[in-house]
Amino acid sequence: KAGVTQTPRYLIKTRGQQVTLSCSPISGHRSVSWYQQTPGQGLQFLFEYFSETQRNKGNFPGRFSGRQFSNSRSEMNVSTLELGDSALYLCASSSGNSHSRNEQFFGPGTRLTVL
Amino acid sequence: GIQVEQSPPDLILQEGANSTLRCNFSDSVNNLQWFHQNPWGQLINLFYIPSGTKQNGRLSATTVATERYSLLYISSSQTTDSGVYFCAVEARGSSNTGKLIFGQGTTLQVKP
Repeated sequence: KAGVTQTPRYLIKTRGQQVTLSCSPISGHRSVSWYQQTPGQGLQFLFEYFSETQRNKGNFPGRFSGRQFSNSRSEMNVSTLELGDSALYLCASSSGNSHSRNEQFFGPGTRLTVL
Repeated sequence: GIQVEQSPPDLILQEGANSTLRCNFSDSVNNLQWFHQNPWGQLINLFYIPSGTKQNGRLSATTVATERYSLLYISSSQTTDSGVYFCAVEARGSSNTGKLIFGQGTTLQVKP
């Protein structure tokens, strides 16, 4: 099986712009979770989508949003970028089943730099 | 919410040495995973281990769910083992499905 893919791998934006990141999960996985990694805050959960519905959300401002399509691919959007949004954004896919093994597998990440 | 603490924060070893990394968590979990983050940032799955003991080559892990801790053992360390090791948990409860809470990581450096 192909692994989790993320595009683009690197991105440079300026303050005030918006950005869209994409994640394609492992075939058959219905859950996609997004995480932000920064040196100061570590790895933090952004949100999780399952069957096109946001099921869980972390403590991030409304500028961070996402969606999931019927083929389970997911996008996240950050509007009005701030310098502090510079980070590695990771997505993970899993079966999404809360009653059995729900191991998460991560993509290579998108490294966003905001100037 | 659930808290995850890893120790030690940093570890320096000579090649061939053994090490134990610890992860403490503050509440019951559905899921516990250990990851190794490579220099390019990708998280590599090491173990899915909400309870019990597993082994994979030179690595093994044990989770004692009743006492809320997990241990990752690395034997005969190699320079390629260098990097950051993360423990992450999914707290029990359907409202936490798909939400991993990460520890701050242990940075391991293996010297030749």
